[in-house]
Amino acid sequence: AQSVAQPEDQVNVAEGNPLTVKCTYSVSGNPYLFWYVQYPNRGLQFLLKYITGDNLVKGSYGFEAEFNKSQTSFHLKKPSALVSDSALYFCAVRGRSGYSTLTFGKGTMLLVSP
Amino acid sequence: ETGVTQSPTHLIKTRGQQVTLRCSSQSGHNTVSWYQQALGQGPQFIFQYYREEENGRGNFPPRFSGLQFPNYSSELNVNALELDDSALYLCASSSGQTDSTEAFFGQGTRLTVV
Repeated sequence: AQSVAQPEDQVNVAEGNPLTVKCTYSVSGNPYLFWYVQYPNRGLQFLLKYITGDNLVKGSYGFEAEFNKSQTSFHLKKPSALVSDSALYFCAVRGRSGYSTLTFGKGTMLLVSP
Repeated sequence: ETGVTQSPTHLIKTRGQQVTLRCSSQSGHNTVSWYQQALGQGPQFIFQYYREEENGRGNFPPRFSGLQFPNYSSELNVNALELDDSALYLCASSSGQTDSTEAFFGQGTRLTVV
């Protein structure tokens, strides 16, 4: 069975500082990996995905994520945080073999202070 | 904003009742998935429809059922509501069954069972 772990319930960072939101995954074979963001009372918004190729993936709003196969990780990063980045972030994985569903982590709340 | 719309946005039902939630997929998308997001949790996969056929189901009982219509809109039906069914129900659409394709989410329906 596939799974996603987001070890931090909350990440606090000051505006202008770099941020990292951690994600590790477990799946049979090579994964498709995704990051989504959820603002209060809203659905999930797609940020970025890893399919193949370059391990550093760039996405929306200045976010990027680094795929590390040996560590089975896909951490979300941003060089300079904004207060408006404060939201709930979800990592998700989907396997490549046969039919596979999208499995989400439990989410990490990012709080960026002014 | 995505082109995925869900109705209603909020709903209160009594235990034992039945409920129908609706989703209009983004233009050009023929795949719709439904997720349940309990408070403080990540979205959990309920089922997926591709061209009007259910082609995947998560660990949910048969009282959770669905439909997809020729215009690719979809319904989620839940019978014999239980208190634990209280959650945010998210609909997501995507173009085709390619596993690398990202899903686009609606804003969700908040269901409260009392």
